[in-house]
Amino acid sequence: QKEVEQNSGPLSVPEGAIASLNCTYSDRGSQSFFWYRQYSGKSPELIMFIYSNGDKEDGRFTAQLNKASQYVSLLIRDSQPSDSATYLCAVNRSNYQLIWGAGTKLIIKP
Amino acid sequence: SQTIHQWPATLVQPVGSPLSLECTVEGTSNPNLYWYRQAAGRGLQLLFYSVGIGQISSEVPQNLSASRPQDRQFILSSKKLLLSDSGFYLCAWERANTEAFFGQGTRLTVV
Repeated sequence: QKEVEQNSGPLSVPEGAIASLNCTYSDRGSQSFFWYRQYSGKSPELIMFIYSNGDKEDGRFTAQLNKASQYVSLLIRDSQPSDSATYLCAVNRSNYQLIWGAGTKLIIKP
Repeated sequence: SQTIHQWPATLVQPVGSPLSLECTVEGTSNPNLYWYRQAAGRGLQLLFYSVGIGQISSEVPQNLSASRPQDRQFILSSKKLLLSDSGFYLCAWERANTEAFFGQGTRLTVV
């Protein structure tokens, strides 16, 4: 079992719809959870982080964390073509090292 | 503000040649520094990390090495490149065991 798992996709979503990206992790001691966006050929950039159970909203983005079920998700409302990218989930393990998922490729269709 | 510089952006090297990629961080002291490799369409593979000068931890045994000669400088090296070393190399620094910030990346093609 991988420590951080994501569906590789591609996930295809119509423009204006909600894109839902999911990530599961294995270390119950994980404390911090991050979502990064990576455009093709570019380095990852941080979108959001979440530490506590529940939802955290920032503009069109909402991160959701459920530590009991060991999953974290990212919702993108009113999806735009510019949101097309690979989304990486990263989890700060109990020894503080960041562990990365393989990423989900998101395609927003106009 | 903190910035991270990584160079070169692209590199084409023949098999068997040496490699040196450099990364420097500005605006912070004693950062945790990382080298990752990303194969096409794949996730990030941690190669090396460093919590201080001269302190290097290797995650994947291979023909690559890393050094940290100064607090904010991290170097990735190889004496002889293999075809399988091709990929996208990313340097990152981590703030207080929280989020990571990445350099622009180096696209390495070994021919």
